[in-house]
Amino acid sequence: EAGVVQSPRYKIIEKKQPVAFWCNPISGHNTLYWYLQNLGQGPELLIRYENEEAVDDSQLPKDRFSAERLKGVDSTLKIQPAELGDSAVYLCASSLDQRNTEAFFGQGTRLTVV
Amino acid sequence: GEDVEQSLFLSVREGDSSVINCTYTDSSSTYLYWYKQEPGAGLQLLTYIFSNMDMKQDQRLTVLLNKKDKHLSLRIADTQTGDSAIYFCAETRRQAGNMLTFGGGTRLMVKP
Repeated sequence: EAGVVQSPRYKIIEKKQPVAFWCNPISGHNTLYWYLQNLGQGPELLIRYENEEAVDDSQLPKDRFSAERLKGVDSTLKIQPAELGDSAVYLCASSLDQRNTEAFFGQGTRLTVV
Repeated sequence: GEDVEQSLFLSVREGDSSVINCTYTDSSSTYLYWYKQEPGAGLQLLTYIFSNMDMKQDQRLTVLLNKKDKHLSLRIADTQTGDSAIYFCAETRRQAGNMLTFGGGTRLMVKP
């Protein structure tokens, strides 16, 4: 069974440009998370979806970040415009549902803003 | 202060036991987790423990939970060079939708 798939693995962009990350969760997993991992730190939650509904986006900087999960499966995370401080690894994770104890992570997208 | 704290670095010799420690602040934590992250990779769930348990053993891994002191540890027996990685402690609270709150990670270096 395929795990959580993210693309691209790496992205380098100039500041003020837009960027998008894509995540395909494990089949049948209703809960999807986007986490931000700065260098040398643990991941921090950006947004959590239950099916297509964003149920916790309190940590998402809404002035420049947006996310969607239109059909309750794949999700995209967008930054527009990107800033130098957005350089980090963006991790996607999924779990069966919000009550489930196990979350599985993708390999992440490493973003470098220059 | 931080919700979940870990020491930054641990170095052991191959074959020795490793003990990675973690402290947390929220007494309403439901589950506590250990994740492993190798360079350039995502996080791999190693093991987790329910908050009403004291200990959980899974092959070379032993998790100890002291709920009174809010202290969690991960013991790796017979540590191998392949265990070199960053280990993250994390906790969830049911009222937070099982959102994971991570510590800053402990880098384990295993010397041959």
